[in-house]
Amino acid sequence: AQSVTQLDSHVSVSEGTPVLLRCNYSSSYSPSLFWYVQHPNKGLQLLLKYTSAATLVKGINGFEAEFKKSETSFHLTKPSAHMSDAAEYFCVVTANTGGFKTIFGAGTRLFVKA
Amino acid sequence: SAVISQKPSRDICQRGTSLTIQCQVDSQVTMMFWYRQQPGQSLTLIATANQGSEATYESGFVIDKFPISRPNLTFSTLTVSNMSPEDSSIYLCSVRDSLSYNEQFFGPGTRLTVL
Repeated sequence: AQSVTQLDSHVSVSEGTPVLLRCNYSSSYSPSLFWYVQHPNKGLQLLLKYTSAATLVKGINGFEAEFKKSETSFHLTKPSAHMSDAAEYFCVVTANTGGFKTIFGAGTRLFVKA
Repeated sequence: SAVISQKPSRDICQRGTSLTIQCQVDSQVTMMFWYRQQPGQSLTLIATANQGSEATYESGFVIDKFPISRPNLTFSTLTVSNMSPEDSSIYLCSVRDSLSYNEQFFGPGTRLTVL
């Protein structure tokens, strides 16, 4: 079985400070993990993906995530938040369970204060 | 990467009516999906659209309510039938690229409001 848990429904940071959005997953198979961002009234955009290569994954707009198998985590980070980062972020897990199954986390709303 | 377009982008409908949403992809893809995103919620998979055969529905979704067509590898439609206000959501088409570690691409969504 697969599951994904985003530990915070919302996170608020000040502009210029670090961002941490937490994600834990559960999978009986070797998973692929993704982070997507959804700006208000916009479609989903892929930020980054982990596919069993390097455990530290760099994405667009300065975001990165580290796959930690021992902790079953895939937290998203950014050193310095920008106002334009305010959006909804989804952690997603996919695995071949005899057919690929994609599971979305509940989402984390990021607020960035000036 | 695949580029996906959806029509309409938004609509306001009366209860009891039906709306058909179209999804067009700029390349042939094996896997196409339809998702629902209710207000303030995450995405929920409605069904996998299978080319040339009936769609595969997830638990809680049925063909009579959400009939799906997929006549070829670049196009699919989702119909929301006999709508009620509870069907007000964003409906998203998605495709999977098996050549890119199963990354999924998403259309811009169709924002449906049922009065």
